[in-house]
Amino acid sequence: EVQLLESGGGLVQPGGSLRLSCIASGFTSSTYTMTWVRQAPGKGLDWVSTSDYSGGTYYADSVKGRFTISRDNAKNTLYLQMNSLRAEDTAIYYCARGRGCSGGTCYFDYWGQGNMVTVSS
Amino acid sequence: DIQMTQSPSSLSASVGDRVTITCRASQSVANCLNWYQQKPGEAPKLLIYAASSFQSGVPSRFSGSGYGTDFTLTISSLQPEDFATYYCQQSYRTPPTFGQGTNLEIK
Repeated sequence: EVQLLESGGGLVQPGGSLRLSCIASGFTSSTYTMTWVRQAPGKGLDWVSTSDYSGGTYYADSVKGRFTISRDNAKNTLYLQMNSLRAEDTAIYYCARGRGCSGGTCYFDYWGQGNMVTVSS
Repeated sequence: DIQMTQSPSSLSASVGDRVTITCRASQSVANCLNWYQQKPGEAPKLLIYAASSFQSGVPSRFSGSGYGTDFTLTISSLQPEDFATYYCQQSYRTPPTFGQGTNLEIK
């Protein structure tokens, strides 16, 4: 059974850092494009970043230069390092598995349960 | 970026009704259009990909159609578990973009 389990969220002050993790099970994540999508409270879905299976990385303009996506294939784990956090980064962060991908865009067939990140003083 | 616009933003319907949600892209996305369902407190769930292909396990009352810029998601006979928010998403060009969502409520 495919599962994605996120961790690492929490409360952080503006300007601070957090690292999210997403452990995949039931499939080998190194052979898939993996993505982070976020959802601000009461709002819609926003793409954050994608790591494709060949090593390419893609970022939304709103996080470029502040967030870094990476993988540890031995651990079947996807990461999102978030630096210089702002109040507007407050959201539930989901990791998702990509299918039918072209460059940095795919549709997403499996999603984690989500992890809340709150940026506030 | 490709803008995705859904209509309506909210919809009230009854069990057994036929419901259609529309998604329009700001430029052609060919058939690279996907639909998700999200219930409160849960992650989104893929329903339809490539405009009209069913994700495994999705009930046959859900169907998708369209090509280019105009797409529809139809639920043929609403069931109680279908009341949720629905999102369209284009996977034609980076960045992938979502519609604003359609909140389907019980009348």
